[in-house]
Amino acid sequence: SQQGEEDPQALSIQEGENATMNCSYKTSINNLQWYRQNSGRGLVHLILIRSNEREKHSGRLRVTLDTSKKSSSLLITASRAADTASYFCATDPNQAGTALIFGKGTTLSVSS
Amino acid sequence: GAVVSQHPSRVICKSGTSVKIECRSLDFQATTMFWYRQFPKQSLMLMATSNEGSKATYEQGVEKDKFLINHASLTLSTLTVTSAHPEDSSFYICSARELAGGHNEQFFGPGTRLTVL
Repeated sequence: SQQGEEDPQALSIQEGENATMNCSYKTSINNLQWYRQNSGRGLVHLILIRSNEREKHSGRLRVTLDTSKKSSSLLITASRAADTASYFCATDPNQAGTALIFGKGTTLSVSS
Repeated sequence: GAVVSQHPSRVICKSGTSVKIECRSLDFQATTMFWYRQFPKQSLMLMATSNEGSKATYEQGVEKDKFLINHASLTLSTLTVTSAHPEDSSFYICSARELAGGHNEQFFGPGTRLTVL
């Protein structure tokens, strides 16, 4: 079952600009993760934020989590053409051992 | 992180044939493995959860007789698409958790692209 909704569905920006993607989910979670997928390729794990965390940074990535609103955002700063990809949030349910549930994804296009 | 492999990476078959996809955890034991399907320009949809030594649990709408899952060892799960049809063409991705009952990280295989002619 698909849990998350992401917006926007598609985002086009210029190199150097920031890109913000949002994710909403429906049930309680243990953690939320963001993945990148280049066209036709496998998933690349970007960052994990636990339910008791509000913000996390990794290089040019900044993730926030608001469990009261059941939402998360991924900010990519100073974007590059190589950031062009689809980005998915995935929620880890509050029941151990169950699968990650993916959002619908945001397709990011960064032009140089 | 831990490594999950899939074989084959790409397969083309004729309609009506069966295709087997293997998913292996290379450097850890996976008591639980998951199979996802991804259609073009869509997200990953969970198909089933397999636990070593027991029957797989299928998500609603996934035909268990069409998508046979076997998790015979702690490092190998297989997905067999039986009597494949063009609508089964998709990107199939497996993943594995290291321990049952815990929130250990889930590791993903590189995916298998199935094309049914």
